[in-house]
Amino acid sequence: AQKITQTQPGMFVQEKEAVTLDCTYDTSDPSYGLFWYKQPSSGEMIFLIYQGSYDQQNATEGRYSLNFQKARKSANLVISASQLGDSAMYFCAMRESPYNNNDMRFGAGTRLTVKP
Amino acid sequence: GAGVSQSPSNKVTEKGKDVELRCDPISGHTALYWYRQRLGQGLEFLIYFQGNSAPDKSGLPSDRFSAERTGESVSTLTIQRTQQEDSAVYLCASSLGHRRTSRYNEQFFGPGTRLTVL
Repeated sequence: AQKITQTQPGMFVQEKEAVTLDCTYDTSDPSYGLFWYKQPSSGEMIFLIYQGSYDQQNATEGRYSLNFQKARKSANLVISASQLGDSAMYFCAMRESPYNNNDMRFGAGTRLTVKP
Repeated sequence: GAGVSQSPSNKVTEKGKDVELRCDPISGHTALYWYRQRLGQGLEFLIYFQGNSAPDKSGLPSDRFSAERTGESVSTLTIQRTQQEDSAVYLCASSLGHRRTSRYNEQFFGPGTRLTVL
């Protein structure tokens, strides 16, 4: 069964506007962590933001924020004031309880294109 | 060089040949991961090391794939009798290790090895 679902293969946003990239996950483990990574055309994977399942507040890192809705099992990434350099693939990932399952499961990704 | 490094950056091989891919994790990182990324697709988990042992080999696609890690440092991913469907970018990542879903589980990725099997 798919653990991480990203339903938007591609998204477009106008420069300086905000954009939301969707991510839903599936787990029965009460303890897990959610990650977002950016992969520009150069291929490197860049860590953006992290949300723990027990964190009370939504994570924020500069222009990135995570809209964490635990009951809905969603962890959408919000990028504010988009820049041309934000054009890239974005991957949502989850790590469940480390004592049983130690790998990081990634979604299929969303390709974001920022238009000038 | 504080980041994860991988070599070679590009590898072109003929079908049926064996290839060995290398990953040097960040010093002090006890956890090491291998992923495969086919063109235009997401990351496919292959194998994970905690120290020198691999508690989770479930992602290896076939018995042609193997990996080892020595000295809690360098890891090699070996693909025997390569097939054209093995063509992909192979990404290595490392993390501080094994904490309960804390920020310390953040993985740092290498630049990848692009494998092309002709």
